Amino acid sequence: QKEVEQDPGPLSVPEGAIVSLNCTYSNSAFQYFMWYRQYSRKGPELLMYTYSSGNKEDGRFTAQVDKSSKYISLFIRDSQPSDSATYLCAMSHNQGGKLIFGQGTELSVKP
Amino acid sequence: GAGVSQSPSNKVTEKGKDVELRCDPISGHTALYWYRQSLGQGLEFLIYFQGNSAPDKSGLPSDRFSAERTGGSVSTLTIQRTQQEDSAVYLCASSLAAGPNEQFFGPGTRLTVL
Repeated sequence: QKEVEQDPGPLSVPEGAIVSLNCTYSNSAFQYFMWYRQYSRKGPELLMYTYSSGNKEDGRFTAQVDKSSKYISLFIRDSQPSDSATYLCAMSHNQGGKLIFGQGTELSVKP
Repeated sequence: GAGVSQSPSNKVTEKGKDVELRCDPISGHTALYWYRQSLGQGLEFLIYFQGNSAPDKSGLPSDRFSAERTGGSVSTLTIQRTQQEDSAVYLCASSLAAGPNEQFFGPGTRLTVL
C-alpha cells in the first residue's frame, strides 16, 4: 500500500463547476501538506501549502487538512478551462523535507 | 529572478550508456532535490542536498545512480549503464533550506533509453 493514495481520474467537469480533489495517507508523521499543479510536459507548480490541520484559502482554491482522518482536499471554485492539468498532492515530515506524492489526478474543464 | 533550470530537456540514449543530467537551482536556495516521474510509479524522491552534502540518498534505486553538488549550486545526476526501466522524467527542485519549505520545480529532463 502506498503512503499516499490519490484517485488518478481522469475527472471531467463543465466550466464553472466546483471541483473536489482528495488524497488519503497512512503515515501520521506527515505535518506539511501541499498541492501542486502540473501542465503537460512541465514541472509541478506549487498551488497551496498548509501545516497540520485546518483550511487555507487562496482565490478560487481552498485546501483542507483533516489529520484525524488522514485526509486532505483541494477545492476549485468556478473552474476554468485553464485549470485543466494534473493535480498532485504531496506531504512531508519535519526532517529533510523530501516530499511524498500522490499519483496525481488528471482534471479536464470543458468550456 | 530565474527559476530552476535543467538540461538537457530531452535525452535519448542507448541501453548501457552513461548519462548526466544537470540542475541549476534558484540562486540562494541551499536545498536541492531530485525526483523521478514515471507512468507506473508517479513522482518519487531520489536524493536531496543541503549545501554540498547529501543527508538523504534513500530514494536512489540502485548503485548505478549517483549525484553530486558543487559550490552549493549546480547539481549533476549521473546514471551509469542505463536500462530501459530508467526511462522517465527527472525533476529537480530547490528550496531556501532543507526542511518543510516550499520546493520549486524545474521543467525536467525527459530520458528515453532505447
